[in-house]
Amino acid sequence: GDKVKQSPSALSLQEGTNSALRCNFSIAATTVQWFLQNPRGSLINLFYLVPGTKENGRLKSAFDSKESYSTLHIRDAQLEDSGTYFCAAEASNYQLIWGSGTKLIIKP
Amino acid sequence: NAGVIQTPRHKVTGKGQEATLWCEPISGHSAVFWYRQTIVQGLEFLTYFRNQAPIDDSGMPKERFSAQMPNQSHSTLKIQSTQPQDSAVYLCASTTGGGAETLYFGSGTRLTVL
Repeated sequence: GDKVKQSPSALSLQEGTNSALRCNFSIAATTVQWFLQNPRGSLINLFYLVPGTKENGRLKSAFDSKESYSTLHIRDAQLEDSGTYFCAAEASNYQLIWGSGTKLIIKP
Repeated sequence: NAGVIQTPRHKVTGKGQEATLWCEPISGHSAVFWYRQTIVQGLEFLTYFRNQAPIDDSGMPKERFSAQMPNQSHSTLKIQSTQPQDSAVYLCASTTGGGAETLYFGSGTRLTVL
C-alpha cells in the first residue's frame, strides 16, 4: 500500500474559506516537506518540518511523528492557492517518499 | 538567486532519438536530485549527486538513461533511444548540504517522444 497517503485527493473551495490537507505515513518519517505545484508546473517548497508546527502567513503545518501524520491548513484561501499540494516524508538521509497529491481548486 | 535552472523547458523527440536535459543547481548547493513526473506514476526518484559524485542511481532505468555532474554548476540527464514511455516532466532539484533538506526544484523539462 501507499507509504505516504494524502487526503483528500481533490478539493474545491470558495475563495476566503479554510481547508485542511492531511498526510498519513506508514513509514517512520523523521521530517516532512510540503510543496505546491502551481498550474505552470513549478514545485514550490512551502514547509520543511521536524516534529512540531510551523506557520507562514495563511499557511500552517504540523507534523506528529509519533502518530505518523502531517497536516497543512490554509486559511482564507485565495485564487493563487490553486494547484496540487504534495507532502514528502524523509525515509533516509536523502530519500523522500512522496504522496500522490491533493488537487486544490479555489473558486471566486 | 535565479533558483534551479532547467533547460530546455520543452523537448520533442522522435522515437529512437537521443535527448539531453540540463540542470543548473542553485549556487553553493552541493546536492542535486533528478525526478520524473507523470500522471500515472506521480513523482519518481531517478538519481542523486552529492559534491558532484553519484550517490544513488537506483531509480534510473538501467539501459538507456545516464546522468552526470561534471562540475558543481551543472548536471545532465541523457536518454538514449527515447521511447514514447519516456514522455514525462523531468525535474531537477538541489539542496544545500546533501541530506533530505529543503528541496528547491527547477521548472522542469517536458519531454515528449513521438
